[in-house]
Amino acid sequence: GESVGLHLPTLSVQEGDNSIINCAYSNSASDYFIWYKQESGKGPQFIIDIRSNMDKRQGQRVTVLLNKTVKHLSLQIAATQPGDSAVYFCAEGKPGGTSYGKLTFGQGTILTVHP
Amino acid sequence: EAGVTQSPTHLIKTRGQQATLRCSPISGHTSVYWYQQALGLGLQFLLWYDEGEERNRGNFPPRFSGRQFPNYSSELNVNALELEDSALYLCASRGNTGELFFGEGSRLTVL
Repeated sequence: GESVGLHLPTLSVQEGDNSIINCAYSNSASDYFIWYKQESGKGPQFIIDIRSNMDKRQGQRVTVLLNKTVKHLSLQIAATQPGDSAVYFCAEGKPGGTSYGKLTFGQGTILTVHP
Repeated sequence: EAGVTQSPTHLIKTRGQQATLRCSPISGHTSVYWYQQALGLGLQFLLWYDEGEERNRGNFPPRFSGRQFPNYSSELNVNALELEDSALYLCASRGNTGELFFGEGSRLTVL
């Protein structure tokens, strides 16, 4: 079936570096994509989202890029801090119909930031 | 504003028993979603409730069920527990633009 997956399961960076977490999706009908951060023992926390009519969206220290041609999504974190260490999930969905809010999640990437 | 709240935080049951997990959405949110997160795995969609009705369910057996109350809080029931039901059960409510806001989860351990 359709799925969302991640290229790399782990990513280690030094504090202050920029981090890039990648995600591939296979459902071309998806038009809504979200990045979540999950710290140990906590629920996923919304970071940023993007609709399929956009190819870039920026937040505070984060940027999401969407390449629909190759069905690729990435999350860029600027000046990564130790507090950014967590598991990052991409998720895809369709905002309408019976799939509304039913997000399909990738397996996650573990980001470790070394001081 | 309070976020999504879930109870209990931890629950230990034995095989064959029933578990009941509870969720209160963010005030003003009418849709509640349940996800299962088994150890080392991603989130698997379980159930979606909106306005008291079940709108969609994931690929889980019928012993996973739930309901939504008039105040939009929700309950997830898992009957005839199996060892592989051990997981973190996450509840989320939906914001105006479609994003899901998750609670901290209920950790279910089946012995």
